[in-house]
Formats: sequence, C-alpha cells, structure tokens
Amino acid sequence: DIVLTQSPATLSVTPGESVSLSCRASQGISTSIHWYQQKSNESPRLLIKYASQSISGIPSRFSGSGSGTDFTLSINRVESEDFSVYYCQQSYSLPLTFGSGTKLEIK
Amino acid sequence: VQLVESGGGLVQPGKSLKLSCSASGFTFSSYGMHWIRQAPGKGLDWVAYISSSSGTVYADAVKGRFTISRDNAKNTLYLQLNSLKSEDTAIYYCARRGTMGPLLDYWGQGVMVTVSS
Repeated sequence: DIVLTQSPATLSVTPGESVSLSCRASQGISTSIHWYQQKSNESPRLLIKYASQSISGIPSRFSGSGSGTDFTLSINRVESEDFSVYYCQQSYSLPLTFGSGTKLEIK
Repeated sequence: VQLVESGGGLVQPGKSLKLSCSASGFTFSSYGMHWIRQAPGKGLDWVAYISSSSGTVYADAVKGRFTISRDNAKNTLYLQLNSLKSEDTAIYYCARRGTMGPLLDYWGQGVMVTVSS
C-alpha cells in the first residue's frame, strides 16, 4: 500500500498569513494526489485534484503543486473559515489511501 | 448532487448492520461509488468501491466481512457489515467517484456505527 505522510500534524497561524502543507508519498505517484478539507463535524470537501488542478467553487487562495513523491497544498492569506483539517489522498493504486491530516489552527 | 446515508446505530460485536446511501442530482448508474470511514478523532480510511458495472474492491481490513452493492433503479448504494468488531466503530461516508478518476468529488454527511456490548 502507498503510505502518505503529512506534515506538520498541526500548524498554528494568524489569519492573513500564507501557509504550505506537505504530503509525501512512499513511492512515486506522478500527480495522482488530491486534497480535501474537513471542517469540524462536517464531511470532507474536495479542494484540489491531480496535485494542482483547481475545483469549481473553491476559493483561488487554495493551490497545489508537486509530482512524484512530494506535494504541497498552499493557502494564500488564510481566512478564518480555513481553520480545519486537511487530508491528501492518492489515486495511483488501490487501496486508496489518505494522509493522517494536518490541522490548521488559529494562533 | 446529494448523498444521504442511513442505517447506522449501536450494534453488538459479531452482529450485522446494513448501511444505505441515497443518491440524487446525478445519473447514479453512470458513477462508481465508494465507502470511506473515520474512527472517532481519527483520519480517513477507504473501505470499499463499486464500479458503475458493479465490480467491487475492498480494503483488507473488511474483506470477507463487508459487502458493497448498488441498486440503480433505486439510486441507492449499500454496505452490508457482518461480523462487526469494535474497531469498525466509525462514521461511514459514501462518496462519488469523480469523472476524472478515483478521486472523491461529492461526499454524504456520514452515518455513525458504534460496535459495543
């Protein structure tokens, strides 16, 4: 199975700061990585597909990059509604696997 | 697109439960569907997948105990959970396979399954 390692586990930031969240795969997966946001007591929401492709309805401050084994989700100028948990997921091979998540919290 | 799960609850170890996911707002029969679960306070774990042609794949942790199925006439996805264990306690989400590959573009609100004596 492909293991996804997210870092950091928790990121404390002030609204208005820009941040980068990391996801590293245990083997090369091209750009078969997707990012989800999960707010407290809600179901996950797709943010970015195939490493860098935008999703309709998602604010433009969210962007993704990377290929192979190293991927990054960037949030330009964090807003209050962005404080939640972010997961990466690989679709390179079954079983689908998720990272353990990065919690973005208010400093 | 709307996905609504039902059928969760408290069940004893070793017993069975059947979850349903009612779909609307899209042509259900044309899409593959997934079940994903999330143990309390934990991350996301993929459980099972059924293709539009009803081919199925399972996570090793549930293989032989869980069965995913679909009824396209009723626009409903199912997950039959047998021989339940305490470690199956989780919120179970159904999710639609994206049109551009095995990503999860829409999720239901989830249903809680608690396995306890």
